[in-house]
Amino acid sequence: DAGVIQSPRHEVTEMGQEVTLRCKPISGHDYLFWYRQTMMRGLELLIYFNNNVPIDDSGMPEDRFSAKMPNASFSTLKIQPSEPRDSAVYFCASTLMTGAYGYTFGSGTRLTVV
Amino acid sequence: GDSVTQMEGPVTLSEEAFLTINCTYTATGYPSLFWYVQYPGEGLQLLLKATKADDKGSNKGFEATYRKETTSFHLEKGSVQVSDSAVYFCALTSNRDDKIIFGKGTRLHILP
Repeated sequence: DAGVIQSPRHEVTEMGQEVTLRCKPISGHDYLFWYRQTMMRGLELLIYFNNNVPIDDSGMPEDRFSAKMPNASFSTLKIQPSEPRDSAVYFCASTLMTGAYGYTFGSGTRLTVV
Repeated sequence: GDSVTQMEGPVTLSEEAFLTINCTYTATGYPSLFWYVQYPGEGLQLLLKATKADDKGSNKGFEATYRKETTSFHLEKGSVQVSDSAVYFCALTSNRDDKIIFGKGTRLHILP
């Protein structure tokens, strides 16, 4: 298995532009998580899905952020409009089941908003 | 609520030194406990786990024992290498929801 695949690896955009981050989970995994990592705030859970349905989006910072999972093999995290404070590394992770299984993380997307 | 507390870094050691990174947790019930490692420029990788009291997780020379009486899950390695330089995260999953709760991470530097 190729693992959790995220694209792009790096994204540089100007303030006010729309940004879309993509994630392909491991085939058969029923849970998908989006995290944001910064030096100041560490690792933050933004939203997670179970069987393509959003379960908890309480970590989404504001209405500029939205996430979708149209099918079991694809999810997007969109920021519109982007701001410099959104600069971070965004990780996607998936798991077959929660509890003792742990997550498999993608390599992340480093977003820079200038 | 459930939480994880781990020692703040950075931790700097010489090659072949003994490593301990402390982790304590607060949780109701019987959580599963994890250590994840993040190498520069990469995502987090599961290093080891333990699912019940007195279980010992081990991988790549690292070990951690689930101590319910002290609510701890300290990470140890007998002889570290330069290649162990990374950020280490202690984490737990509770019985009440699907989420993993991560500690803030401990950066480890190993000097040759």
